Amino acid sequence: DQQVKQNSPSLSVQEGRISILNCDYTNSMFDYFLWYKKYPAEGPTFLISISSIKDKNEDGRFTVFLNKSAKHLSLHIVPSQPGDSAVYFCAASGATNKLIFGTGTLLAVQP
Amino acid sequence: KAGVTQTPRYLIKTRGQQVTLSCSPISGHRSVSWYQQTPGQGLQFLFEYFSETQRNKGNFPGRFSGRQFSNSRSEMNVSTLELGDSALYLCASSSAGGRGGYTFGSGTRLTVV
Repeated sequence: DQQVKQNSPSLSVQEGRISILNCDYTNSMFDYFLWYKKYPAEGPTFLISISSIKDKNEDGRFTVFLNKSAKHLSLHIVPSQPGDSAVYFCAASGATNKLIFGTGTLLAVQP
Repeated sequence: KAGVTQTPRYLIKTRGQQVTLSCSPISGHRSVSWYQQTPGQGLQFLFEYFSETQRNKGNFPGRFSGRQFSNSRSEMNVSTLELGDSALYLCASSSAGGRGGYTFGSGTRLTVV
């Protein structure tokens, strides 16, 4: 039972344009959401998070949007840069603090 | 400040053998979590230890076990290895557990032949 889903295995975007990565979850008890970025042969690196009491959080080029009624979150990267090419994982946690990850989306930013 | 250190980086084992992986968390971090990453499955939560006690557990068979020492270092053990156990095993540490404070190591790539 995949509680956190990233339905797009891959995404290709031109440099300078917006990248939008999507994530859906099924467990209404999740109240904290995170995005991690992963390069090959490295561990995931924390990017940005959002609490369920907010619907938007921004950090530089990265913005996360949360739609609780739709159980959907998205990560916007503007403008996209070639160095952003990596696998992006969304993750969710609830009262147990256990992180549940999605399957990841491979972002390729074309120069 | 040193990051999360996992050893070894690569490991090749034979079916039926057992393996122990090690994780040294960031100094001062008391929570250590383990994840298995396989293609198409994302990161699957194995277990979390906090102050030497297992606090959370994922849906893995009993062949997967772990422990945490008084210095917060953690080990995970997999007994009776199967081909399907081939994966990248990631360790993450945080000061209290969750809420964005997880820092991951680079992982141990286990190949079972």
